Amino acid sequence: DVKVTQSSRYLVKRTGEKVFLECVQDMDHENMFWYRQDPGLGLRLIYFSYDVKMKEKGDIPEGYSVSREKKERFSLILESASTNQTSMYLCASSLGANSYNEQFFGPGTRLTVL
Amino acid sequence: DQQVKQNSPSLSVQEGRISILNCDYTNSMFDYFLWYKKYPAEGPTFLISISSIKDKNEDGRFTVFLNKSAKHLSLHIVPSQPGDSAVYFCAGGNEKLTFGTGTRLTIIP
Repeated sequence: DVKVTQSSRYLVKRTGEKVFLECVQDMDHENMFWYRQDPGLGLRLIYFSYDVKMKEKGDIPEGYSVSREKKERFSLILESASTNQTSMYLCASSLGANSYNEQFFGPGTRLTVL
Repeated sequence: DQQVKQNSPSLSVQEGRISILNCDYTNSMFDYFLWYKKYPAEGPTFLISISSIKDKNEDGRFTVFLNKSAKHLSLHIVPSQPGDSAVYFCAGGNEKLTFGTGTRLTIIP
């Protein structure tokens, strides 16, 4: 079974803090993704990565950056957290570019920025 | 620009009856479509997919229909069970997925 784990289930930070959200997958997947989920807006793609050290902007990258130094790990960074970044953050991985891109999701991190 | 739309935020269905969840899209370049199911405090889990070259895919109680001319897909669940109560997301994809806003399905015992 594919397992995608996220470092925290719940996180509370203050405005202006630097925040790291970590994601690890154990199935040697090529692709990794970061989404945020907000009521009425569904899942929106922040960043994704097809390979180590590669990253692509998604639909809402502003205020975020990412790091992929190892294949199994994909980090989302909030350089200076703001209250409008309070959300549920979901990490996902998928096998590769030629697959159906079925994405496997982690359990999510609920981030609150005060 | 919402490329994938789920116009019904919620749906209630009697146990044993058919649940039909709908999804509309605007991007005709999507190669495939997927449905995900999400319980509270969990990540979405994959349910069923369909290639853009097909019009139907079935897996047990779940069937997805694709009408490319109408840019519409639907998920049928027959018979509906209490454990089906969840939020359902449709998504269209190429190298990445674009998700709809979700429909909360409630199965009434």
